[in-house]
Amino acid sequence: NAGVMQNPRHLVRRRGQEARLRCSPMKGHSHVYWYRQLPEEGLKFMVYLQKENIIDESGMPKERFSAEFPKEGPSILRIQQVVRGDSAAYFCASSPGGQAVSNQPQHFGDGTRLSIL
Amino acid sequence: GDSVTQMEGPVTLSEEAFLTINCTYTATGYPSLFWYVQYPGEGLQLLLKATKADDKGSNKGFEATYRKETTSFHLEKGSVQVSDSAVYFCALSDLSGSARQLTFGSGTQLTVLP
Repeated sequence: NAGVMQNPRHLVRRRGQEARLRCSPMKGHSHVYWYRQLPEEGLKFMVYLQKENIIDESGMPKERFSAEFPKEGPSILRIQQVVRGDSAAYFCASSPGGQAVSNQPQHFGDGTRLSIL
Repeated sequence: GDSVTQMEGPVTLSEEAFLTINCTYTATGYPSLFWYVQYPGEGLQLLLKATKADDKGSNKGFEATYRKETTSFHLEKGSVQVSDSAVYFCALSDLSGSARQLTFGSGTQLTVLP
């Protein structure tokens, strides 16, 4: 009965490198959300995906950031050419699909803490 | 756009004290409201929720009532414990459009002293 699994828990990159963050949703969940938490701030929505589809990416920076949720395997948040300002905790959440979405809370993983040197 | 305004912290209380953390919101539709709790180094855990006006969410001694007239969802607990020390986030999900994401407040750090 595993929850949302994120890996790695901690990731260190140098400026200009690429960061790949992985998220496996809870069993039976088909909706995935990525959020970013800057130090001492709340979480900010980045992107909402269903299998093989990006539904809403209104919170994603226009450059360097991309996300996918393939038919098989985890969802991936990819950050290219990382900069110091990308240092943050990145959280993934999942929820079931279906009509009554308002009654289906999102379940969060423990996050990936990204540090840029 | 949607927004959540949360009482700023940090909040420090003695064990068995009464807790209130204020939360107000603005939304274009009819949002569902949530309180999440985050313990150090962990992700967010759903504490309670309310999906329509006058609903009361409750869990582990915490309560919050969805007040449409004041657009508020204040978190309360009658007697806090040391183990309640954590960061508390108020959030809303507005499904009037196609959006599914949560909009969070900035969080309130609670420390309970023995």
